[in-house]
Amino acid sequence: AQSVAQPEDQVNVAEGNPLTVKCTYSVSGNPYLFWYVQYPNRGLQFLLKYITGDNLVKGSYGFEAEFNKSQTSFHLKKPSALVSDSALYFCAVRDGYNFNKFYFGSGTKLNVKP
Amino acid sequence: NAGVMQNPRHLVRRRGQEARLRCSPMKGHSHVYWYRQLPEEGLKFMVYLQKENIIDESGMPKERFSAEFPKEGPSILRIQQVVRGDSAAYFCASSPPLRDREMWDTQYFGPGTRLTVL
Repeated sequence: AQSVAQPEDQVNVAEGNPLTVKCTYSVSGNPYLFWYVQYPNRGLQFLLKYITGDNLVKGSYGFEAEFNKSQTSFHLKKPSALVSDSALYFCAVRDGYNFNKFYFGSGTKLNVKP
Repeated sequence: NAGVMQNPRHLVRRRGQEARLRCSPMKGHSHVYWYRQLPEEGLKFMVYLQKENIIDESGMPKERFSAEFPKEGPSILRIQQVVRGDSAAYFCASSPPLRDREMWDTQYFGPGTRLTVL
């Protein structure tokens, strides 16, 4: 069965420190992995995706994510957090066989404190 | 290029009434997805449509829920005889056609409709 897990409901980090938001997945076929961010009362915004190629993917707003096939993980990272990064982050995977289907994690709330 | 539009942003219904949620995809997008987000949960896939076709409705409840994407006009998610458990945020997303090699697999989300059933 396809699934995405975000093991942390909340991540707290001080401004200027590096941040990591964790995601693991289980999917049939090749994984297509995505990160989205959601600000309060807004829709999800695309951050980055991994389809193939380099395991380190760079995206919007200085975020990057590392694909690790052996650990079936796709953790979101940023070297230096900003207060404005505080939001809800969702990891998603597209089914490798059924391209219609996306599976989203439950979300991780990132709090960046000044 | 306007983003994905959803209306209304907030909808209040009493039990037993009908709810109609509208979604206008981004210009040039021909694929529409509907998701439901319950409090403290992630998004759950409901249905995937192209113009005049339902491609995948495996996430839709079997009763009371229906969706359409007509040739002209927005996509509509319809919930008949709403119950309190239908209270949620409903998000629509659109994606470009397959010929867009860079972004065909990326979804662009609307701001959502927050449905409250009294």
